[in-house]
Amino acid sequence: DAKTTQPDSMESTEGETVHLPCSHATISGNEYIYWYRQVPLQGPEYVTHGLQQNTTNSMAFLAIASDRKSSTLILPHVSLRDAAVYHCILRVRGLGGTGSKLSFGKGAKLTVSP
Amino acid sequence: NSKVIQTPRYLVKGQGQKAKMRCIPEKGHPVVFWYQQNKNNEFKFLINFQNQEVLQQIDMTEKRFSAECPSNSPCSLEIQSSEAGDSALYLCASSRGVAETLYFGSGTRLTVL
Repeated sequence: DAKTTQPDSMESTEGETVHLPCSHATISGNEYIYWYRQVPLQGPEYVTHGLQQNTTNSMAFLAIASDRKSSTLILPHVSLRDAAVYHCILRVRGLGGTGSKLSFGKGAKLTVSP
Repeated sequence: NSKVIQTPRYLVKGQGQKAKMRCIPEKGHPVVFWYQQNKNNEFKFLINFQNQEVLQQIDMTEKRFSAECPSNSPCSLEIQSSEAGDSALYLCASSRGVAETLYFGSGTRLTVL
C-alpha cells in the first residue's frame, strides 16, 4: 500500500465543520482511499472510502481531488464524540488470493473543544 | 458499535507464558485479519484467513504464534511464549471478501510482565 501524508494534529470546536487533509501523491489507479478513526482503547472504526468520485455517508463527506493525489475528509458539525485519531490509508482494489493488508500510519489526531 | 467480538479485553501474562485471545468475526464475514498495535500506535499485520485457510502471515507469527479460524468456533491467536515486547493491543478485523472493507473489534490489550 502506498504512503499517505497527514498533519499530526488538528483542533476544532463543537459545531464546526472540520476538513482533514490527506496527501497521496503516488497513488495508483487501482487503489482505494480509506478513512478509519480510532479512540483510545478501541479498535479502528471504519468511516468511509472512495476511488475517484466524492462519497458521502452518515459520518462524513469524502472529497477526492480530480487527479486523486489528495483527498479531504469533511466532518460536518463535529461533536466531542468525533475526537479521535483519523487514519487515511490506501488499499489496492480487487486483489484475489491473499487480500490487501491495510498499512496504517500514525494518523491525524483531532481534538474537539466544547 | 463493532460487530467483531474480541475476548478478553485485557490479558496479563508473565514472560514465557502462553497468551491466547479470541475473535468472533461479524456474521457472514469469512475473512479475518489480525494486527498488533504497539505503544507508539504503530500497526503490524500478523496474519489473515479466509474461512479456515491462512492467506498470509509474517515470519514472527509463523515462528512464535499459533493462530486458527476453525469452522463454527471463534478464531484465536496464541503467543506460545510471551515476551515483554509482545505487550500491545491485538486487533481482529473481518470482511466479506479479501478486498472488502475491514471492520475491527475493540481489541485485546496484552501486558507481559
